[in-house]
Amino acid sequence: DGGITQSPKYLFRKEGQNVTLSCEQNLNHDAMYWYRQDPGQGLRLIYYSQIVNDFQKGDIAEGYSVSREKKESFPLTVTSAQKNPTAFYLCASSIGTLNNEQFFGPGTRLTVL
Amino acid sequence: DAKTTQPTSMDCAEGRAANLPCNHSTISGNEYVYWYRQIHSQGPQYIIHGLKNNETNEMASLIITEDRKSSTLILPHATLRDTAVYYCIVRANTGGFKTIFGAGTRLFVKA
Repeated sequence: DGGITQSPKYLFRKEGQNVTLSCEQNLNHDAMYWYRQDPGQGLRLIYYSQIVNDFQKGDIAEGYSVSREKKESFPLTVTSAQKNPTAFYLCASSIGTLNNEQFFGPGTRLTVL
Repeated sequence: DAKTTQPTSMDCAEGRAANLPCNHSTISGNEYVYWYRQIHSQGPQYIIHGLKNNETNEMASLIITEDRKSSTLILPHATLRDTAVYYCIVRANTGGFKTIFGAGTRLFVKA
């Protein structure tokens, strides 16, 4: 089945540690995105990538980093510079950024202790 | 991208139509209206989108007013599984990317 996978579903880390969240898609989509969602709020865009080896900052990129070495993969690293990292992180993909029909993964809930 | 305004929450009886409104009074001529929904602790799911004509698919219907300043998502026969947060988004299908997901409408379908 085609889709987007994120792992793990729940992640716990100690304050000050970097952590990398995985996102893989087998939909052959060019564009991929990372969003952050806090309780009771909408989604905020962290980073997006329109094509392999290219990515752009979203609205809240500070404290995060990404890479796009393969079309299928768009990992997100939450660094120790992110002041409030505890959140629900969602990865999405679309055929291109000209088409906003995005397909979302199941999300990773990160808790920093 | 234009901003949208949605009610915070709505109730609907199971089996009845759920009509979810969205105001987007500053929408531009090249901006589409998209609807997504998010069931608790899952990723959002695309529902439908349109430019100016009404649209229908297997999940829902989208009614856009003639002046395009507002729209309504219609779930014709709501079920308990339709309980979710529904997001209305407007954006142009042009280069560059920023999609603004606001707080959405929390729809409660009751038996």
